[in-house]
Amino acid sequence: DGGITQSPKYLFRKEGQNVTLSCEQNLNHDAMYWYRQDPGQGLRLIYYSQIVNDFQKGDIAEGYSVSREKKESFPLTVTSAQKNPTAFYLCASTGDRGVAYGYTFGSGTRLTVV
Amino acid sequence: AQSVTQLGSHVSVSEGALVLLRCNYSSSVPPYLFWYVQYPNQGLQLLLKYTSAATLVKGINGFEAEFKKSETSFHLTKPSAHMSDAAEYFCAVSVPNTGNQFYFGTGTSLTVIP
Repeated sequence: DGGITQSPKYLFRKEGQNVTLSCEQNLNHDAMYWYRQDPGQGLRLIYYSQIVNDFQKGDIAEGYSVSREKKESFPLTVTSAQKNPTAFYLCASTGDRGVAYGYTFGSGTRLTVV
Repeated sequence: AQSVTQLGSHVSVSEGALVLLRCNYSSSVPPYLFWYVQYPNQGLQLLLKYTSAATLVKGINGFEAEFKKSETSFHLTKPSAHMSDAAEYFCAVSVPNTGNQFYFGTGTSLTVIP
């Protein structure tokens, strides 16, 4: 079945460490997104990519970086510059008629700073 | 700019009672509207969507929502709550021809009391 795979499900980061969250989709979707979810704040957009080798900052991009070298993959790196990275991270994708069909979401990665 | 307001961050209903989750949006043009459900530590799953067809939209698990343009609302209802309905619910809006970006409400946590 087609879908989005996020890994790992749980991730622990030490202070000052960079970590990378994986997002892979086999839906042949062009657009991919990263959201951060904190209790009571809903979903906040970090980065998004409409096509390969191109991406744009969302509302809270500081302290994060992404790449889009392949259509299927959109990894997110949480850098040491992100001072409060503990959150639930969701990856999503959509096809060329995304606004009419909605997003498909991965199952998320919970990142905790230790 | 588009925005979504979900009234009530927490809603409690008794098992078998009516579920009503409120969503209001602001958009200068007719939007596409969505409801998503999220179970603990999981991604978001599409419940239903409105894309300018019938104003009363039926979704999965017995949920439905009605688009009311005059009230700029898209409230989610279910006639009889089940224990398995306990989850977080998100309303989302996107506007045609503005890119594949969605705007999410802050979510409503539904508790079902046995």
